[in-house]
Amino acid sequence: SQKIEQNSEALNIQEGKTATLTCNYTNYSPAYLQWYRQDPGRGPVFLLLIRENEKEKRKERLKVTFDTTLKQSLFHITASQPADSATYLCALGPNNDMRFGAGTRLTVKP
Amino acid sequence: EADIYQTPRYLVIGTGKKITLECSQTMGHDKMYWYQQDPGMELHLIHYSYGVNSTEKGDLSSESTVSRIRTEHFPLTLESARPSHTSQYLCASSNLNEQFFGPGTRLTVL
Repeated sequence: SQKIEQNSEALNIQEGKTATLTCNYTNYSPAYLQWYRQDPGRGPVFLLLIRENEKEKRKERLKVTFDTTLKQSLFHITASQPADSATYLCALGPNNDMRFGAGTRLTVKP
Repeated sequence: EADIYQTPRYLVIGTGKKITLECSQTMGHDKMYWYQQDPGMELHLIHYSYGVNSTEKGDLSSESTVSRIRTEHFPLTLESARPSHTSQYLCASSNLNEQFFGPGTRLTVL
Protein backbone atom coordinates (compact mmCIF):
# COMPACT_ATOMS: atom_id res chain seq x y z
CA SER A 1 0.00 0.00 0.00
CA GLN A 2 1.07 3.60 -0.52
CA LYS A 3 2.82 5.11 2.44
CA ILE A 4 4.38 8.47 3.31
CA GLU A 5 6.71 8.63 6.30
CA GLN A 6 8.14 11.74 7.88
CA ASN A 7 10.57 12.02 10.80
CA SER A 8 8.85 9.86 13.36
CA GLU A 9 9.78 12.05 16.30
CA ALA A 10 9.64 15.75 16.89
CA LEU A 11 12.79 17.65 15.97
CA ASN A 12 14.35 20.08 18.45
CA ILE A 13 17.22 22.32 17.37
CA GLN A 14 19.03 25.42 18.55
CA GLU A 15 18.42 28.79 16.92
CA GLY A 16 20.82 29.45 14.06
CA LYS A 17 21.30 25.79 13.18
CA THR A 18 20.02 24.06 10.06
CA ALA A 19 16.92 21.91 10.44
CA THR A 20 16.62 18.92 8.13
CA LEU A 21 13.30 17.12 7.78
CA THR A 22 12.82 13.88 5.87
CA CYS A 23 9.94 12.62 3.76
CA ASN A 24 10.08 9.03 2.49
CA TYR A 25 7.43 7.37 0.37
CA THR A 26 6.71 3.88 -0.96
CA ASN A 27 4.53 2.43 -3.72
CA TYR A 28 4.00 5.87 -5.21
CA SER A 29 5.32 7.72 -8.27
CA PRO A 30 4.43 11.36 -7.66
CA ALA A 31 4.64 13.95 -10.42
CA TYR A 32 5.68 16.46 -7.77
CA LEU A 33 6.15 16.87 -4.06
CA GLN A 34 5.13 19.81 -1.88
CA TRP A 35 6.01 21.03 1.58
CA TYR A 36 3.55 22.84 3.83
CA ARG A 37 3.79 24.49 7.23
CA GLN A 38 1.00 24.02 9.78
CA ASP A 39 0.64 25.96 13.02
CA PRO A 40 -1.54 24.63 15.86
CA GLY A 41 -5.24 24.97 15.18
CA ARG A 42 -4.74 26.33 11.67
CA GLY A 43 -4.74 25.01 8.12
CA PRO A 44 -1.49 24.17 6.30
CA VAL A 45 0.30 26.89 4.33
CA PHE A 46 2.11 26.06 1.09
CA LEU A 47 5.90 26.57 1.11
CA LEU A 48 7.57 24.88 -1.86
CA LEU A 49 6.88 22.55 -4.77
CA ILE A 50 9.48 20.40 -6.50
CA ARG A 51 8.81 18.37 -9.64
CA GLU A 52 10.01 14.85 -10.36
CA ASN A 53 12.58 16.11 -12.90
CA GLU A 54 14.07 18.64 -10.44
CA LYS A 55 16.78 17.75 -7.96
CA GLU A 56 16.72 20.86 -5.79
CA LYS A 57 14.61 23.95 -5.17
CA ARG A 58 15.39 26.98 -3.00
CA LYS A 59 13.35 29.79 -1.52
CA GLU A 60 15.02 32.22 0.87
CA ARG A 61 16.19 30.09 3.84
CA LEU A 62 14.39 26.98 2.58
CA LYS A 63 15.84 24.23 0.40
CA VAL A 64 14.13 21.09 -0.84
CA THR A 65 15.70 18.09 -2.56
CA PHE A 66 13.86 15.31 -4.36
CA ASP A 67 15.43 11.92 -5.10
CA THR A 68 12.98 9.74 -7.05
CA THR A 69 15.42 6.80 -6.93
CA LEU A 70 15.59 6.83 -3.15
CA LYS A 71 11.93 7.94 -2.99
CA GLN A 72 12.90 10.66 -0.58
CA SER A 73 12.70 14.41 -0.13
CA LEU A 74 14.75 16.46 2.30
CA PHE A 75 13.56 19.83 3.56
CA HIS A 76 16.16 22.18 5.02
CA ILE A 77 15.70 25.40 6.97
CA THR A 78 18.98 27.26 7.34
CA ALA A 79 19.69 29.82 10.06
CA SER A 80 16.61 28.59 11.90
CA GLN A 81 14.61 30.94 14.13
CA PRO A 82 12.11 30.31 16.94
CA ALA A 83 9.42 31.59 14.54
CA ASP A 84 10.13 28.55 12.36
CA SER A 85 8.66 26.32 15.07
CA ALA A 86 5.69 24.51 13.54
CA THR A 87 4.66 21.19 12.01
CA TYR A 88 5.91 20.63 8.48
CA LEU A 89 3.98 18.37 6.12
CA CYS A 90 5.09 16.82 2.87
CA ALA A 91 2.49 16.08 0.23
CA LEU A 92 2.70 14.07 -2.99
CA GLY A 93 0.75 15.12 -6.09
CA PRO A 94 -1.08 15.23 -8.45
CA ASN A 95 -3.86 17.30 -6.97
CA ASN A 96 -6.85 15.01 -7.21
CA ASP A 97 -4.84 12.26 -5.54
CA MET A 98 -2.68 14.37 -3.26
CA ARG A 99 -1.58 12.59 -0.12
CA PHE A 100 -0.12 14.18 2.99
CA GLY A 101 2.33 12.84 5.51
CA ALA A 102 1.58 13.09 9.22
CA GLY A 103 4.15 15.87 9.57
CA THR A 104 7.19 16.58 11.71
CA ARG A 105 6.93 18.97 14.64
CA LEU A 106 9.94 21.28 14.64
CA THR A 107 10.87 23.31 17.71
CA VAL A 108 13.63 25.91 17.43
CA LYS A 109 14.95 26.96 20.83
CA PRO A 110 16.44 30.41 21.38
CA GLU B 1 -8.40 40.24 -0.53
CA ALA B 2 -8.52 36.73 -2.02
CA ASP B 3 -8.99 34.15 0.70
CA ILE B 4 -10.71 30.98 1.85
CA TYR B 5 -13.16 31.02 4.75
CA GLN B 6 -14.65 28.36 6.97
CA THR B 7 -17.51 28.68 9.45
CA PRO B 8 -18.01 27.89 12.19
CA ARG B 9 -14.48 27.67 13.61
CA TYR B 10 -15.67 25.58 16.54
CA LEU B 11 -18.85 23.50 16.91
CA VAL B 12 -20.04 21.34 19.78
CA ILE B 13 -23.18 19.41 18.98
CA GLY B 14 -25.20 16.46 20.23
CA THR B 15 -25.45 13.05 18.59
CA GLY B 16 -28.02 12.76 15.82
CA LYS B 17 -28.03 16.42 14.80
CA LYS B 18 -27.68 17.51 11.19
CA ILE B 19 -24.84 19.94 10.60
CA THR B 20 -23.39 21.85 7.67
CA LEU B 21 -19.84 23.12 7.61
CA GLU B 22 -19.41 26.11 5.35
CA CYS B 23 -16.46 26.82 3.04
CA SER B 24 -16.11 29.75 0.66
CA GLN B 25 -13.22 31.01 -1.43
CA THR B 26 -12.80 34.28 -3.32
CA MET B 27 -9.91 33.19 -5.54
CA GLY B 28 -12.01 31.83 -8.39
CA HIS B 29 -10.46 28.36 -8.06
CA ASP B 30 -12.23 25.48 -9.77
CA LYS B 31 -10.80 22.75 -7.53
CA MET B 32 -11.92 22.47 -3.92
CA TYR B 33 -11.31 19.83 -1.24
CA TRP B 34 -12.42 18.68 2.21
CA TYR B 35 -9.94 17.00 4.53
CA GLN B 36 -10.32 15.44 7.96
CA GLN B 37 -7.42 15.67 10.38
CA ASP B 38 -7.11 14.25 13.89
CA PRO B 39 -4.46 15.72 16.25
CA GLY B 40 -0.93 14.71 15.22
CA MET B 41 -2.23 12.71 12.29
CA GLU B 42 -2.13 13.13 8.53
CA LEU B 43 -4.82 14.85 6.49
CA HIS B 44 -7.32 12.49 4.91
CA LEU B 45 -9.16 13.55 1.75
CA ILE B 46 -12.90 12.98 2.14
CA HIS B 47 -14.38 14.94 -0.79
CA TYR B 48 -13.21 16.99 -3.75
CA SER B 49 -14.69 18.94 -6.63
CA TYR B 50 -13.32 20.01 -10.00
CA GLY B 51 -15.96 22.65 -10.56
CA VAL B 52 -19.66 23.47 -10.43
CA ASN B 53 -21.85 20.34 -10.23
CA SER B 54 -18.77 18.13 -9.86
CA THR B 55 -18.22 16.20 -6.60
CA GLU B 56 -16.16 13.10 -5.85
CA LYS B 57 -15.42 11.02 -2.76
CA GLY B 58 -11.89 10.83 -1.47
CA ASP B 59 -10.07 7.80 -0.15
CA LEU B 60 -11.38 8.12 3.41
CA SER B 61 -14.83 6.64 3.83
CA SER B 62 -17.10 9.38 5.07
CA GLU B 63 -20.77 9.64 5.96
CA SER B 64 -20.80 13.26 4.88
CA THR B 65 -22.03 14.75 1.61
CA VAL B 66 -21.00 17.84 -0.32
CA SER B 67 -22.47 20.08 -3.01
CA ARG B 68 -20.98 22.54 -5.48
CA ILE B 69 -23.69 24.78 -6.87
CA ARG B 70 -21.45 27.85 -7.08
CA THR B 71 -17.74 28.05 -7.81
CA GLU B 72 -16.96 29.85 -4.57
CA HIS B 73 -19.02 27.68 -2.20
CA PHE B 74 -18.38 24.04 -1.13
CA PRO B 75 -20.42 23.09 1.97
CA LEU B 76 -20.09 19.75 3.77
CA THR B 77 -23.13 18.18 5.46
CA LEU B 78 -23.44 15.49 8.10
CA GLU B 79 -27.04 14.23 8.20
CA SER B 80 -26.71 12.63 11.64
CA ALA B 81 -23.64 13.51 13.69
CA ARG B 82 -21.95 10.83 15.81
CA PRO B 83 -19.08 10.97 18.33
CA SER B 84 -16.85 9.26 15.72
CA HIS B 85 -17.21 12.42 13.59
CA THR B 86 -15.32 14.44 16.19
CA SER B 87 -12.32 15.85 14.32
CA GLN B 88 -10.83 18.89 12.58
CA TYR B 89 -12.27 19.55 9.11
CA LEU B 90 -10.16 21.53 6.65
CA CYS B 91 -11.34 22.99 3.37
CA ALA B 92 -8.91 23.86 0.57
CA SER B 93 -8.94 25.19 -2.98
CA SER B 94 -6.30 25.12 -5.68
CA ASN B 95 -5.33 26.64 -8.99
CA LEU B 96 -2.80 24.30 -10.57
CA ASN B 97 -0.76 22.61 -7.86
CA GLU B 98 -0.62 24.65 -4.67
CA GLN B 99 -3.50 24.18 -2.23
CA PHE B 100 -4.83 27.06 -0.15
CA PHE B 101 -6.37 25.97 3.15
CA GLY B 102 -9.00 27.55 5.30
CA PRO B 103 -8.57 27.87 9.09
CA GLY B 104 -10.56 24.70 9.76
CA THR B 105 -13.63 23.74 11.79
CA ARG B 106 -13.08 21.88 15.04
CA LEU B 107 -16.15 19.64 15.46
CA THR B 108 -17.00 17.88 18.72
CA VAL B 109 -19.98 15.53 18.81
CA LEU B 110 -21.15 14.61 22.30
